[in-house]
Order: sequence, then C-alpha cells, then structure tokens
Amino acid sequence: IVMTQSPATLSVSPGERATLSCRASQSVSNYLAWYQQKPGQAPRLLFYGASTRATGIPVRFSGSGSGTEFTLTISSLQSEDFAVYYCQQSNNWPYTFGQGTKLEIK
Amino acid sequence: EVQLVESGGGLVQPGGSLRLSCAASGFTFSTYAINWVRQAPGKGLEWVSAVSGNGGRTYYADSVKGRFTISRDNSKNTLYLQMNSLRAEDTAIYYCAVMMNYYFDHWGQGTLVTVSS
Repeated sequence: IVMTQSPATLSVSPGERATLSCRASQSVSNYLAWYQQKPGQAPRLLFYGASTRATGIPVRFSGSGSGTEFTLTISSLQSEDFAVYYCQQSNNWPYTFGQGTKLEIK
Repeated sequence: EVQLVESGGGLVQPGGSLRLSCAASGFTFSTYAINWVRQAPGKGLEWVSAVSGNGGRTYYADSVKGRFTISRDNSKNTLYLQMNSLRAEDTAIYYCAVMMNYYFDHWGQGTLVTVSS
C-alpha cells in the first residue's frame, strides 16, 4: 500500500492552524498512525487508529479519517510543533510510511 | 519506562556484514512484536523487518529479503538484525521499534550504518 502525504512542506505561523493530509492507495480502514520527528531524534507516536491520541499528546493535535483519506490537524501551532510528520498504515504487510510533511515556521 | 537501545552500527564495505542489536527494558519483551525501521540520510522512514513475540514469525521488506535476518533472544530481552551482502543503499540510521498494538509505540535512538568503500 502506497501512502502519499501532502503537502511536502507546509509553512505556517505560530498560533495558526495546520492541516496535513495522508492518502492511501487502497483502504486501510482505520489502521493509520501519525508520527512526529524532530531533527536528531527518533520518531514519536502521535496517533493510532487514525484518531486516538498516544500518551502525552496535547489536545491541540487531532486526527481524523478512515479508508483512504486521513488528516492531522494542529489547532494552534507552538514552537515545539515544527517538525516532520509521517503517516503509516498497519492494515497490510508490509507496513508502509508516507514520505513525510515538513512543518516549518513561516 | 520503556527503553530500547540499539548498538552495532558502523562503517562497512559493500558486500560486507554487520549485526545490529537492540536491548529492551521496561516491558514484557516476549509479549510484543519488534521491528527494525531505517532512515537514509535526509530521507523518510522505511520499515525493514519484524519478528513476532515468540520469534516464530518474521517479515521482511522486499529490499532486504534474502540478505537480512531478524531474530530475538527473549531470555536476554534483545533483538538482532544480521545484515549480509550490504549495499550503499543500506546506509541509514536503523531504529528498533516495539509494536504494542498495531503501531510503532516506542522507538530507540537508532544506530548508524554506513556502507562505503
């Protein structure tokens, strides 16, 4: 299953809203996760089951979607949110990642 | 607290071999599948391999099938990746990641593998 994220880069000002998209080449039901990766760090799980926050993830983050279309929304960007975000499907082996969206400061 | 610590990375010539290890703590190791995920310099994440909790089932990406072997020693809480016939395109940071449901819940900090002459 090919996961396609858009846009590749998103420039947003602190305090504004960011919306990141992920599309699957075939249905993955809700077996979709989002990860955040900051420079020099390992990825961190943000969401699983498309919309369930992992432990410790702030409520300004929300996830939605099912089937082939998914969205990660950050309601009011904080400085620590600027990072690369990946989606990943766990519906079929091999589990595949999107190519990532880099969220940068405008 | 879940901890995963990778080791064994380094510089190796094309065609060479390397064995990576991932030492785990803070959870019941034998219960969960463990994976290797890699990231080439400046690139995205690529799932490489997985092994079930009891080691009975293994999975590989097509890019490494026949060259890499995943295994685990539940008595030592340690995961391994034997990498043979290494290629330049295998150069990456290799992360181990535990799947407590269907997702990569916890990650190590990674170990860098460089394949170059």
